[in-house]
Amino acid sequence: KAGVTQTPRYLIKTRGQQVTLSCSPISGHRSVSWYQQTPGQGLQFLFEYFSETQRNKGNFPGRFSGRQFSNSRSEMNVSTLELGDSALYLCASSLGGSGFYEQYFGPGTRLTVT
Amino acid sequence: ILNVEQSPQSLHVQEGDSTNFTCSFPSSNFYALHWYRWETAKSPEALFVMTLNGDEKKKGRISATLNTKEGYSYLYIKGSQPEDSATYLCAFSEGNYQLIWGAGTKLIIKP
Repeated sequence: KAGVTQTPRYLIKTRGQQVTLSCSPISGHRSVSWYQQTPGQGLQFLFEYFSETQRNKGNFPGRFSGRQFSNSRSEMNVSTLELGDSALYLCASSLGGSGFYEQYFGPGTRLTVT
Repeated sequence: ILNVEQSPQSLHVQEGDSTNFTCSFPSSNFYALHWYRWETAKSPEALFVMTLNGDEKKKGRISATLNTKEGYSYLYIKGSQPEDSATYLCAFSEGNYQLIWGAGTKLIIKP
């Protein structure tokens, strides 16, 4: 079974630009969660989607948004990039809600904002 | 604000020694407690999902216990090996759609 894939793996953007990251979950998994990880910080929860609906959202500004498609693939968008958005962005998929089911993580997208 | 605390922050252990570390979480509204292992240059990998007070889980040399009444879980590694070097994360959930993550315990095994 193919694992979780994320594209692109690396990205360099300039302040003020916007970016879209993509996540393809394991086949059959209906839940996708997104996390941000910065040096010295743990995993910071961004949002979780299940069956195309956002089920929960972390404490991030409205510049961070996401969506999930009918095939469970998910995208995350960050508008008006700031230097502080430089981070590793991980997505994870699970059979059901992340609270109960174990998550399978993708390799991440390393975003650098200059 | 819910808080999940892990201790110690980091740990150096001699190869062959056994070790354990702690995850503390709110004792109310418990739904599940997760343990993940995160090796350098890899992605986090699930170890255990624990839901019942008194739960004990085991995977090879790694085991975990859960006390929901007092709000803690222990992760044990028996006979540490170099491949056990990783950051061990715990995550607490009150419901179906969010995990609250601890900052992790970084384990370094000295040969």
